[in-house]
Amino acid sequence: GAGVSQSPSNKVTEKGKDVELRCDPISGHTALYWYRQSLGQGLEFLIYFQGNSAPDKSGLPSDRFSAERTGGSVSTLTIQRTQQEDSAVYLCASSPSRQVNTEAFFGQGTRLTVV
Amino acid sequence: TQLLEQSPQFLSIQEGENLTVYCNSSSVFSSLQWYRQEPGEGPVLLVTVVTGGEVKKLKRLTFQFGDARKDSSLHITAAQPGDTGLYLCAGSNNAGNMLTFGGGTRLMVKP
Repeated sequence: GAGVSQSPSNKVTEKGKDVELRCDPISGHTALYWYRQSLGQGLEFLIYFQGNSAPDKSGLPSDRFSAERTGGSVSTLTIQRTQQEDSAVYLCASSPSRQVNTEAFFGQGTRLTVV
Repeated sequence: TQLLEQSPQFLSIQEGENLTVYCNSSSVFSSLQWYRQEPGEGPVLLVTVVTGGEVKKLKRLTFQFGDARKDSSLHITAAQPGDTGLYLCAGSNNAGNMLTFGGGTRLMVKP
């Protein structure tokens, strides 16, 4: 596809269940970001992948959150034992290189609701 | 961790008014970007500023990067209802490795 694709677009899950969110970045983009956005708020950084380098996981809020990026392309964000405070829109973005002023292209997000 | 603070957090104005949104940090950034996000969509890049003191204009929007590359402003002239949205600044470090986003300014322009 032409842009960053995220799936599912909406996910409702019961408290305590695990969820997986998927991000398909733009082909050839080496950098991939996950952000979380609560209702009406800004973007909270979660994790950053750049090429084959070790990911920057400094934004993950707890050990219930993990992410992987297979083959330098598709990424999956996993939330284990979901809590109601995990409810938010999870945004994925990719960018083409390590250049200083590279634009980040965002997907439309996955709206997660934990009930 | 490099932090970016945006102000104001919320702004509600009438059509035709001017406004300025600020993005401040204690850290130096190699570049700074402004994004606009509409409901249900991901943020979309408006502009990138790279040089300290740089000013860029995009129709009614004027972006400025501070001389010390620690702050930026977005000025909108004669705001229109179509300008309504969440405005986010994002800074990139010297290695260009990671974008750090500010908390955003939610703008509502009433007709």
